[in-house]
Amino acid sequence: GEDVEQSLFLSVREGDSSVINCTYTDSSSTYLYWYKQEPGAGLQLLTYIFSNMDMKQDQRLTVLLNKKDKHLSLRIADTQTGDSAIYFCAEKFDSWGKLQFGAGTQVVVTP
Amino acid sequence: EAGVTQFPSHSVIEKGQTVTLRCDPISGHDNLYWYRRVMGKEIKFLLHFVKESKQDESGMPNNRFLAERTGGTYSTLKVQPAELEDSGVYFCASSQGPQGAGGYNEQFFGPGTRLTVL
Repeated sequence: GEDVEQSLFLSVREGDSSVINCTYTDSSSTYLYWYKQEPGAGLQLLTYIFSNMDMKQDQRLTVLLNKKDKHLSLRIADTQTGDSAIYFCAEKFDSWGKLQFGAGTQVVVTP
Repeated sequence: EAGVTQFPSHSVIEKGQTVTLRCDPISGHDNLYWYRRVMGKEIKFLLHFVKESKQDESGMPNNRFLAERTGGTYSTLKVQPAELEDSGVYFCASSQGPQGAGGYNEQFFGPGTRLTVL
């Protein structure tokens, strides 16, 4: 398909791990990003990974990339209430930086 | 350092009216991008400026949309006349130059302008 696809909603209990999934489109070398949007705020870059990598870890965040299936996931360990937000997966579409986004996954963290 | 700012934060207009959205990028950023999110769907690219020049406007929906970036600083996006389907959240982002040579290109986003066309 032509779209970057994400599941739309995830509910998780505080302290559990969250896993947000995304499928992307481009088969060539590219950068893949995870952005976070809190209410009333702009998109904040959380992490990124180049398509020749399998995994990247940054504190509580782990990005896994399955190039064969064009599948990207973001794992948040020890999820906190402050992690409640919309998470967008994005793919760098050309060398000039144009991004192609998914529809976003609404993550709700419950006590 | 100030981030990307956008004005207004909200705009409610009637079909057929004109609206102008403004974006002030981070000082010194050559690249400025406009994106739009309609009704909870994916965020879609509209166009990209490098300084004052349009590098890519392939995402502009039609000729009712006009974007400018005078002097390579702030940018405006005018919708004239507005239609119902133009409702959505318009995001602006900026990044340092030069691009075109790859790199992870962190784009810094503004909070968006929520446009409602009645």
